[in-house]
Amino acid sequence: QVQLKQSGPGLVQPSQSLSITCTVSGFSLTSYGVHWVRQSPGKGLEWLGVIWRGGSTDYNAAFMSRLSITKDNSKSQVFFKMNSLQADDTAIYYCAKNLGNLYYAMDYWGQGTSVTVSS
Amino acid sequence: ENVLTQSPAIMSASPGEKVTMTCRASSSVSSSYLHWYQQKSGASPKLWIYSTSNLASGVPARFSGSGSGTSYSLTISSVEAEDAATYYCQQYSGYPYTFGGGTKLEIK
Repeated sequence: QVQLKQSGPGLVQPSQSLSITCTVSGFSLTSYGVHWVRQSPGKGLEWLGVIWRGGSTDYNAAFMSRLSITKDNSKSQVFFKMNSLQADDTAIYYCAKNLGNLYYAMDYWGQGTSVTVSS
Repeated sequence: ENVLTQSPAIMSASPGEKVTMTCRASSSVSSSYLHWYQQKSGASPKLWIYSTSNLASGVPARFSGSGSGTSYSLTISSVEAEDAATYYCQQYSGYPYTFGGGTKLEIK
């Protein structure tokens, strides 16, 4: 069955970077894209970016300057990195599988990584 | 950015009652690209309805979706206790994808 399992730190120092790995099973990264979404009480659900099956990426312009999404198809892993975190980046970060071509929806989600930005 | 506004923010219903929640977009959205998610407390969102009216796998038939342009809705024909959750709409009409603020459904 389709699964996305996230691993990453829960605490990040201000101005430092956040790195999360999303390891997928039950589908191939060469067939489906993977999105990144975060959720916070103040801002709700925010779409951050996506890496498509071919390896191209699209980012939310609000985060583009400090966001990077890459992947390793052979290891079924997607890598999320956001730089220069501040307190308002405190949120739960999710990876999610794209439903399929021409849908632009997310049908399976990881368990979430709760990230606190604090010294 | 296409802003999605959901109403009401919170609603309460008794089992068996019919409920409808709405999602309004600041700009027109293709019906193919308007989706709904269900999220229960402490859990990740789940795709619930995609492309306006298609139920995701495992979603009970008492759920339905409709709409076009800038106005969309999710209806539950006969609410059950297990439907207590927050429902979010999401759209794609160019980047960025955006989500609504959610409608929290409480069961009396």
